[in-house]
Amino acid sequence: QKEVEQDPGPLSVPEGAIVSLNCTYSNSAFQYFMWYRQYSRKGPELLMYTYSSGNKEDGRFTAQVDKSSKYISLFIRDSQPSDSATYLCAMSRSGGSNYKLTFGKGTLLTVNP
Amino acid sequence: EPEVTQTPSHQVTQMGQEVILRCVPISNHLYFYWYRQILGQKVEFLVSFYNNEISEKSEIFDDQFSVERPDGSNFTLKIRSTKLEDSAMYFCASSDRLGQLFFGSGTQLSVL
Repeated sequence: QKEVEQDPGPLSVPEGAIVSLNCTYSNSAFQYFMWYRQYSRKGPELLMYTYSSGNKEDGRFTAQVDKSSKYISLFIRDSQPSDSATYLCAMSRSGGSNYKLTFGKGTLLTVNP
Repeated sequence: EPEVTQTPSHQVTQMGQEVILRCVPISNHLYFYWYRQILGQKVEFLVSFYNNEISEKSEIFDDQFSVERPDGSNFTLKIRSTKLEDSAMYFCASSDRLGQLFFGSGTQLSVL
């Protein structure tokens, strides 16, 4: 079983739709969970960062973590064409001197005007 | 807004040549990383660096790779003798004490 699994899509939605992106993981040592947005040939851009189980909201974005199920989600409300990108989930085991991230493969999202 | 900057944005080299990829991390960050992404594949960890030494490295990071922080601002990745399979986008990242990693725009390395 892969450490982090993410449905690669592609996912195509109309403007204004609610988008749900998900990742599962197998390693219970993961403690920190992130969502990144990556535009073509650019670096990952940090969108959401969470530590504990539960929800975290930032504008149109909500990140959800369920450690008992080893499942994380990102919801995008009122999606816009500018949200079209690849969304990467990422997670790390611990802090200290190393926050090494393990990434999912990314989900390609297209929001159609 | 502070950002991680990488140079060059594109690097073309011949197999067997040495390349140095350069990065300027965010100024108050203490943890530095290199990741790479082969076209169509996952972003994968290469190495982490803290307090002037490597804290962890992946299996990819073999003796052909090295990292250095030559001064207070730059962080470099050197590949001594490039191979065709080293062709990838290389990302530098730095993180704050909370573990939030911020990535640069990357250097596209093409080995011919």
